[in-house]
Amino acid sequence: GAVVSQHPSRVICKSGTSVKIECRSLDFQATTMFWYRQFPKKSLMLMATSNEGSKATYEQGVEKDKFLINHASLTLSTLTVTSAHPEDSSFYICSAPGVGGEKLFFGSGTQLSVL
Amino acid sequence: GDSVTQMEGPVTLSEEAFLTINCTYTATGYPSLFWYVQYPGEGLQLLLKATKADDKGSNKGFEATYRKETTSFHLEKGSVQVSDSAVYFCALMEGNNRLAFGKGNQVVVIP
Repeated sequence: GAVVSQHPSRVICKSGTSVKIECRSLDFQATTMFWYRQFPKKSLMLMATSNEGSKATYEQGVEKDKFLINHASLTLSTLTVTSAHPEDSSFYICSAPGVGGEKLFFGSGTQLSVL
Repeated sequence: GDSVTQMEGPVTLSEEAFLTINCTYTATGYPSLFWYVQYPGEGLQLLLKATKADDKGSNKGFEATYRKETTSFHLEKGSVQVSDSAVYFCALMEGNNRLAFGKGNQVVVIP
């Protein structure tokens, strides 16, 4: 079946550095991908919708300059957390709709810890 | 906006016990409802879904019925196994593949 690969699974970085998270659809093309964030004991919150070949659509309250999204190809979307701070520490997860858009496939998530 | 509420706290139970995870939702329209499962070290996987009132989704022994009158979509399994240990998320789809998730429930099944 369709697989979404997310990398890295875990990253620890110093405050002020930037971190890039990759999300790949391995055996299907995804013109749209979704990026979620989950705080401990809270729901997954949709951050943005990544659109291949165009700008991402951000949810209200999500800083566009902080969370840079690039969807350069039909199989790859990246989320870059710029100038990361401890409050950015969270679990980030991506998803992509399969053929026909009826089913969403999720990556395994990235646990970001900013020291 | 649309939202999903799951029961609080992890769920710990013995093998072959009956599992229920409560889920209620708030929506202005008629959303599709889902249960996703996340096994350790893996991504979320669709467990089951229901797209309209009174529909029952089922998979791997799990069931959930779309109850419009109580705005609920409780997940049940009659006899759990250790391999069912995972985090379970209730979700609704608002449109354009945008999912609203509940907080998730960690289920631990003890042999």
